[in-house]
Amino acid sequence: EVVLTQSPDFQSVTPKDKVTITCRASQSIGSTLHWYQQKPDQSPKLLIKYASQSISGVPSRFSGSGSGTDFTLTINSLEAEDAAVYYCHQSSSFPRTFGQGTKVEIK
Amino acid sequence: EVQLVESGGGLVQPGGSLRLSCAVSGFTFSDYSMNWVRQAPGKGLEWVSYISRSSSVTYYADSVKGRFTISRDNGKNSLYLQMNSLRDEDTAVYYCAVDTILEPWGQGTLVTVSS
Repeated sequence: EVVLTQSPDFQSVTPKDKVTITCRASQSIGSTLHWYQQKPDQSPKLLIKYASQSISGVPSRFSGSGSGTDFTLTINSLEAEDAAVYYCHQSSSFPRTFGQGTKVEIK
Repeated sequence: EVQLVESGGGLVQPGGSLRLSCAVSGFTFSDYSMNWVRQAPGKGLEWVSYISRSSSVTYYADSVKGRFTISRDNGKNSLYLQMNSLRDEDTAVYYCAVDTILEPWGQGTLVTVSS
């Protein structure tokens, strides 16, 4: 089973800050890593697919990078509406797995 | 407009059974694999099960293997999860999600296992 470890678990940030969330896989998964945003009482929403591919309708301040075992989600110029929990997810192998989540709070 | 609507959740006693459904519209259901993902109260996301487009391939998380069965009816644009021998730790919101990239998701249905 591929274990995904996100860091940090929690981040308190100011609007316009740059936010970086990392996701480390326990073994190489190529680029089969996806990022989701979940706001309170909402379903998760796909932000980035296959490590770095953008999603239609997602603001351009969200970007992803990485391959193999180390991946990064970057939020440039954070906005108040970005307060949420962010998850990484791998589709390289079964069982599919998620990171534990990173909560981003707005100061 | 793409829509996924889960139903069938509720309160059930430990050892009981429930059948969840996910009705989809707005896309060609038979062209996509499907998944169930759950989220226990206040916890993170846990992948539960996968089914291929033709139902020929299924996978399960170890935590539900032998107790849950995923199925689909492409003629009815519907996905199902038969849950047997339910345990307290199965309490969660259950989501259906489309394809390998898990997008889009339904709104979820709450399953509560409690005596």
